[in-house]
Amino acid sequence: NAGVMQNPRHLVRRRGQEARLRCSPMKGHSHVYWYRQLPEEGLKFMVYLQKENIIDESGMPKERFSAEFPKEGPSILRIQQVVRGDSAAYFCASSGQVAGTSSGNTIYFGEGSWLTVV
Amino acid sequence: GENVGLHLPTLSVQEGDNSIINCAYSNSASDYFIWYKQESGKGPQFIIDIRSNMDKRQGQRVTVLLNKTVKHLSLQIAATQPGDSAVYFCAENSGGSNYKLTFGKGTLLTVNP
Repeated sequence: NAGVMQNPRHLVRRRGQEARLRCSPMKGHSHVYWYRQLPEEGLKFMVYLQKENIIDESGMPKERFSAEFPKEGPSILRIQQVVRGDSAAYFCASSGQVAGTSSGNTIYFGEGSWLTVV
Repeated sequence: GENVGLHLPTLSVQEGDNSIINCAYSNSASDYFIWYKQESGKGPQFIIDIRSNMDKRQGQRVTVLLNKTVKHLSLQIAATQPGDSAVYFCAENSGGSNYKLTFGKGTLLTVNP
């Protein structure tokens, strides 16, 4: 089974540009989470989404950041007018009932999208 | 504030030895803990989890121990291999939400051949 798929893996943006990060959850998963990891730090929760709904965005910066998980297609994390401090690894994760497993609530992470703002 | 932290930022072991990575947590409301392994340039890989109604759980070559009295979590890796070299993070669910994990800063495990 394919895992959590993220793209692009690496993204370079100039200050002021927009960054769009995409995430396709693991097959059968309907819960998506975004985390951010700054250099040499642990991951920090940003947002939790289900299809067409934002469940918890308590970790999202108040401005410039938004996330969506449409009925069709991947989840998108959008960062407008990027600044150098946005440079980080952004990880998407998913969970949900997966047929044939007993760990339906386990959160599985993708390989991440590394954003560099120059 | 509530946090998850690690006693040792780095750990170096010889191939074949057992490794023990420690983690302290301070949120007494946390009832679900996970260990992740992260290799350079990759995402966190689930290793093993444990709920607060247990004090020990075993997987393949790994064992997680939970001591709620002192709020301590450890990951034991048996017969450590070079492929085990990575950063290991413990994570806890903050305030009972299993999706909102609080991660520690990580321990770098280096396995010497």
